[in-house]
Amino acid sequence: DTEVTQTPKHLVMGMTNKKSLKCEQHMGHRAMYWYKQKAKKPPELMFVYSYEKLSINESVPSRFSPECPNSSLLNLHLHALQPEDSALYLCASSQLTSGRTDTQYFGPGTRLTVL
Amino acid sequence: GQQVMQIPQYQHVQEGEDFTTYCNSSTTLSNIQWYKQRPGGHPVFLIQLVKSGEVKKQKRLTFQFGEAKKNSSLHITATQTTDVGTYFCAGRSSGGYQKVTFGTGTKLQVIP
Repeated sequence: DTEVTQTPKHLVMGMTNKKSLKCEQHMGHRAMYWYKQKAKKPPELMFVYSYEKLSINESVPSRFSPECPNSSLLNLHLHALQPEDSALYLCASSQLTSGRTDTQYFGPGTRLTVL
Repeated sequence: GQQVMQIPQYQHVQEGEDFTTYCNSSTTLSNIQWYKQRPGGHPVFLIQLVKSGEVKKQKRLTFQFGEAKKNSSLHITATQTTDVGTYFCAGRSSGGYQKVTFGTGTKLQVIP
């Protein structure tokens, strides 16, 4: 099984709402990632979890709050978002092999619209 | 910070023509990965190159990693309509092996 799943597929929320994005993998991968992708742009790294600990935070605003409950699950909690936060949010995972050969596998993404 | 640029930004080709996209990094890379993203889809891993000067082939796709490990290319021979999508390179710097910086992408359109 080389699949990363994400829910929901689509999400529309108001600026005062609180919502969560979920990501799951059952490949035994020990690193999980959140990326943000705007239209016609490349994915931009937001957070990295290694062995369930936050290892990279790319200066993401605090209205985005990641959580890694266990090695298979990754959440992104959203609160007080702005319309410019509308984007495709991608989750990825990797095995954490020796650094030079680690490969990331992406989920299908959650398309978020903030009204 | 590390920047990874790709050219061209867009390419329209007639079906059967060849296509090449070039990827250039501002810093030396420990490896480079290539992804394909179909319209409305998510990035799908194609291949990873690690060694200086490495060349790998997947059917009609040929991937190269430069000798200085700062550039890479993807060449598609005899394009087909199924090749449509955006091709991203993604480079990993020597220092932080978890952080991958995506290139700006090349969007390929194949005209039947």
